[in-house]
Amino acid sequence: NAGVMQNPRHLVRRRGQEARLRCSPMKGHSHVYWYRQLPEEGLKFMVYLQKENIIDESGMPKERFSAEFPKEGPSILRIQQVVRGDSAAYFCASSPPAGGGQPQHFGDGTRLSIL
Amino acid sequence: RKEVEQDPGPFNVPEGATVAFNCTYSNSASQSFFWYRQDCRKEPKLLMSVYSSGNEDGRFTAQLNRASQYISLLIRDSKLSDSATYLCVVRTGGSQGNLIFGKGTKLSVKP
Repeated sequence: NAGVMQNPRHLVRRRGQEARLRCSPMKGHSHVYWYRQLPEEGLKFMVYLQKENIIDESGMPKERFSAEFPKEGPSILRIQQVVRGDSAAYFCASSPPAGGGQPQHFGDGTRLSIL
Repeated sequence: RKEVEQDPGPFNVPEGATVAFNCTYSNSASQSFFWYRQDCRKEPKLLMSVYSSGNEDGRFTAQLNRASQYISLLIRDSKLSDSATYLCVVRTGGSQGNLIFGKGTKLSVKP
C-alpha cells in the first residue's frame, strides 16, 4: 500500500524558470490537495482537485501558479517564472471519495529552492 | 483573528511528564478536527481525529468543546520520541474540504 508519492523531493530552480511538482495519491483516493509551507510558517491550503476538475483554488496565487489532475497520471502543481519567495515546502495530500470527514494523508513533500 | 490559533511553545518537559496543548478556532461552522504531528519540517502525520465526546489513543487524549471552539491534546508519560511540532487542524468546508492548520506547538522532551 503505497502512500502519497511526491517527486521530486528536492527541486532547485533559478529565478524565472518553471517548476513542476508531481503528486500521485494513495490507491483508491480521488481527492488531491496541495499545501505550501513557507519557512517558519504553518501549512497553507492552495488547491483542491478531483480527476479532471479543480474544486477549490481559493488558496492559489492569482498569477504564475496552476494545478491539474488529469484523468491519467499524477497531479501537477506548476509554478511559472519562479521568484525567491516561492521557496518553500510543497505538500500534497489525498483522501478517499467517501464522505464523513476522512483525514487527509500527506506525501513527503517537495522542497523548492530558488537561486 | 487567526482561523486556528495555537501557543507556539516551545514546551520543554522531562521524560514521563504530562503535557497539554490547546487550540482555538474561529469558524463555528467547522466540522472536523484533527491533531497532526510534524517532525523537523517533514510531512504532517495524522495523530488522531478529535470527536465531540472526546477520544483517547494510548497515551494521547483529545477533547473538543464546540461551544468554546476549543480543542485540546493531552500527552501522558512523555517519551523522547514525542518531541515534534503538534499541529491543530480544522476542516470547515464540508466533509471533503481543505484543512486549515495552526502554526503548531513545539514539544521537546528531555531525558
